[in-house]
Amino acid sequence: RKEVEQDPGPFNVPEGATVAFNCTYSNSASQSFFWYRQDCRKEPKLLMSVYSSGNEDGRFTAQLNRASQYISLLIRDSKLSDSATYLCVVTGFQKLVFGTGTRLLVSP
Amino acid sequence: EPEVTQTPSHQVTQMGQEVILRCVPISNHLYFYWYRQILGQKVEFLVSFYNNEISEKSEIFDDQFSVERPDGSNFTLKIRSTKLEDSAMYFCASSDREDSYNEQFFGPGTRLTVL
Repeated sequence: RKEVEQDPGPFNVPEGATVAFNCTYSNSASQSFFWYRQDCRKEPKLLMSVYSSGNEDGRFTAQLNRASQYISLLIRDSKLSDSATYLCVVTGFQKLVFGTGTRLLVSP
Repeated sequence: EPEVTQTPSHQVTQMGQEVILRCVPISNHLYFYWYRQILGQKVEFLVSFYNNEISEKSEIFDDQFSVERPDGSNFTLKIRSTKLEDSAMYFCASSDREDSYNEQFFGPGTRLTVL
């Protein structure tokens, strides 16, 4: 089983749509959880950390279910600039373990 | 805003040659990392480095790879004898805390092409 699994997409949505991404992880000892964003041929950039209580940052909401080993990201009111690959990331202690990413394409 | 820098942005080399990829981490950071991403694949951890020692390394990081902090600012990744399958984007990252709750800041990457 892969350490971090994501649907690769692409998700094609119109501007203004709400889109949700999911991710599962295999290591129950994972301590921290993140969503990173990666634009084509660029470095990953932290979008937000994910907490069990759920957290929101503007149009973005992340949720963690430790019992199910499941992480989600919800993007509301999609913008053209949201087009990117969204990487689900978990950690043990120091290293980051990345999923393959879910590609989002937002069209006018 | 402080950032991680990497040079060169693109390196082309012949199979069997040695390459050194350079990184300048954020100045007050103490923890350094190398990751790689083969085209179309996921980002993979290679090695973490703290206090002039490797603290963790992956199976990918075999005897052909080494890391060094030769001075107070640079952090390098050396591949001794490159193989075709070493072609990838190599990202350096740094953080100012040991634990994983803290953000790792990534550099823009070096694209390595092995011919």
